Amino acid sequence: AQTVTQSQPEMSVQEAETVTLSCTYDTSENNYYLFWYKQPPSRQMILVIRQEAYKQQNATENRFSVNFQKAAKSFSLKISDSQLGDTAMYFCAFMKTYNNNDMRFGAGTRLTVKP
Amino acid sequence: SAVISQKPSRDICQRGTSLTIQCQVDSQVTMMFWYRQQPGQSLTLIATANQGSEATYESGFVIDKFPISRPNLTFSTLTVSNMSPEDSSIYLCSGGGDFYGYTFGSGTRLTVV
Repeated sequence: AQTVTQSQPEMSVQEAETVTLSCTYDTSENNYYLFWYKQPPSRQMILVIRQEAYKQQNATENRFSVNFQKAAKSFSLKISDSQLGDTAMYFCAFMKTYNNNDMRFGAGTRLTVKP
Repeated sequence: SAVISQKPSRDICQRGTSLTIQCQVDSQVTMMFWYRQQPGQSLTLIATANQGSEATYESGFVIDKFPISRPNLTFSTLTVSNMSPEDSSIYLCSGGGDFYGYTFGSGTRLTVV
């Protein structure tokens, strides 16, 4: 079974600074997808960034980037130039590329961006 | 990516009653998933719903308590049956899949009194 671990329950960062959220996972699969989702107080789950395991290049979406280390089974999220609107719960998620494709989530990291 | 409309957004229910949550997708999706999220916690998968077949439930969740329907590729319902205060939670549906990830409904906040 796949497990996803986020070891930082809460983090805070000053506006305009950079913060990195950690995620590790455990799997015997070779092909899979990894995601970071954001959940603001509105409860809506918003996809932030995604990464295919077979791609060595780290994904980037504007201010969001990942550091994907497949051998270490690590998938951290870096948020640059933090904004107040980035305040939310962030979930790391794992999905197999076949079979049911259900998504497994980490426990989440509550990020607060301070003005 | 797909857009999912979920309703109701919230409800307060008496114990012993049932509530049905609906999710409508704006495009056809093969797989739909139902999650439960306790306040401040992560998402726990309840079941996977395929069109035309019975839902597959995760350990700790049973069909009698959480019956699911999937009549077509754009719609699914989850019923929370014979509710108790322990069922108070946020329930989310999701669908889509593959590399593009899943789209989520906006969630249903259920309070059982």
